[in-house]
Amino acid sequence: DSGVTQTPKHLITATGQRVTLRCSPRSGDLSVYWYQQSLDQGLQFLIQYYNGEERAKGNILERFSAQQFPDLHSELNLSSLELGDSALYFCASSVGQGYYEQYFGPGTRLTVT
Amino acid sequence: GIQVEQSPPDLILQEGANSTLRCNFSDSVNNLQWFHQNPWGQLINLFYIPSGTKQNGRLSATTVATERYSLLYISSSQTTDSGVYFCAALNSGGSNYKLTFGKGTLLTVNP
Repeated sequence: DSGVTQTPKHLITATGQRVTLRCSPRSGDLSVYWYQQSLDQGLQFLIQYYNGEERAKGNILERFSAQQFPDLHSELNLSSLELGDSALYFCASSVGQGYYEQYFGPGTRLTVT
Repeated sequence: GIQVEQSPPDLILQEGANSTLRCNFSDSVNNLQWFHQNPWGQLINLFYIPSGTKQNGRLSATTVATERYSLLYISSSQTTDSGVYFCAALNSGGSNYKLTFGKGTLLTVNP
């Protein structure tokens, strides 16, 4: 158990819908990262937050957004869902925003039908 | 950005055999991590090893940062070692602390 929690574990929804994925980092960690794992793209970085502020963006679609709250949990919002958004979404956390070890949550498996 | 390549892409072993997985990266790194993704999809941290050698039970890893590669050794493999092994690197410099993942090595250990 990495100490990073993600909910829900599985999510099945229809095209065009909006979903919210939730992540709680390890106790004491200030950085949260979101990654997407799909069959065709592999594991890709989406976005990073540090202590409530957005710090870096990767290959994140405009239909996707995220935030980190004062209690340091984070949410990833996916809207206008398409079939191609079906993937495993991971949250990771680290103690700081430097070259620290990142610990991954169990992931949320999203299926868009 | 940094490129991460893993080899071999697939590996089939008999239980008890040893194996070496390789990770090459295209630029200097300040973070190099190895993960095991189990059949349930969970990413398990194996090693944080930007340089040097570490051991944890039957697993060990070595990173030679100056030559831009890392090796993961699995000894006396067990069926529970099956899954995908990922190497991920974080490039030195800049303000983006994202991990760049390789495509993984799919390990199958047969009884």
